[in-house]
Amino acid sequence: GQQVMQIPQYQHVQEGEDFTTYCNSSTTLSNIQWYKQRPGGHPVFLIQLVKSGEVKKQKRLTFQFGEAKKNSSLHITATQTTDVGTYFCAGIQTGANNLFFGTGTRLTVIP
Amino acid sequence: GAGVSQSPSNKVTEKGKDVELRCDPISGHTALYWYRQSLGQGLEFLIYFQGNSAPDKSGLPSDRFSAERTGGSVSTLTIQRTQQEDSAVYLCASSQMRGSPLHFGNGTRLTVT
Repeated sequence: GQQVMQIPQYQHVQEGEDFTTYCNSSTTLSNIQWYKQRPGGHPVFLIQLVKSGEVKKQKRLTFQFGEAKKNSSLHITATQTTDVGTYFCAGIQTGANNLFFGTGTRLTVIP
Repeated sequence: GAGVSQSPSNKVTEKGKDVELRCDPISGHTALYWYRQSLGQGLEFLIYFQGNSAPDKSGLPSDRFSAERTGGSVSTLTIQRTQQEDSAVYLCASSQMRGSPLHFGNGTRLTVT
């Protein structure tokens, strides 16, 4: 079955440092979505990537979709305490219907 | 409504009892998903509804779990003969169509004692 792994599982950074989480799928994905879940909250949609090699930016966040459409990354520049939470990637296997979530990366920002 | 609504927000039940969880998706959203999240863990896919198509039930962990979606709108997730390992937050999400961004409800926290 489809597996979507994320690394690292946990990351602690000093405020102002950069942060990157990587998402790897065992199968080709039709698209990739990224979500953020604050402690005690529910996942909130951040962005969707569809094209091979696509790069999108949202302020300090940069999202990439791999050329083979099997991996993706989220990079945060100069982290802030408001970035704290768990970041999940999610993808739909090509030809399938359901959206599988990655294992998530929990980010802690130390002020 | 403005967002996905789930009820109850919390449910405590005794082992062996049946429970029913409800999800009201955003009006007009054709796709509806149920996920389960244990404390500090990721989202485990349970079931997916898309319009009038047969649901994708491939994520349901056992035959004690079932779900239905009436009239393409409200969905209920039923867990029969609950077990302690069923304790988790059950999240419902809807989207405009397959592949569109998901909008999550606040979840139902289920505790089986």
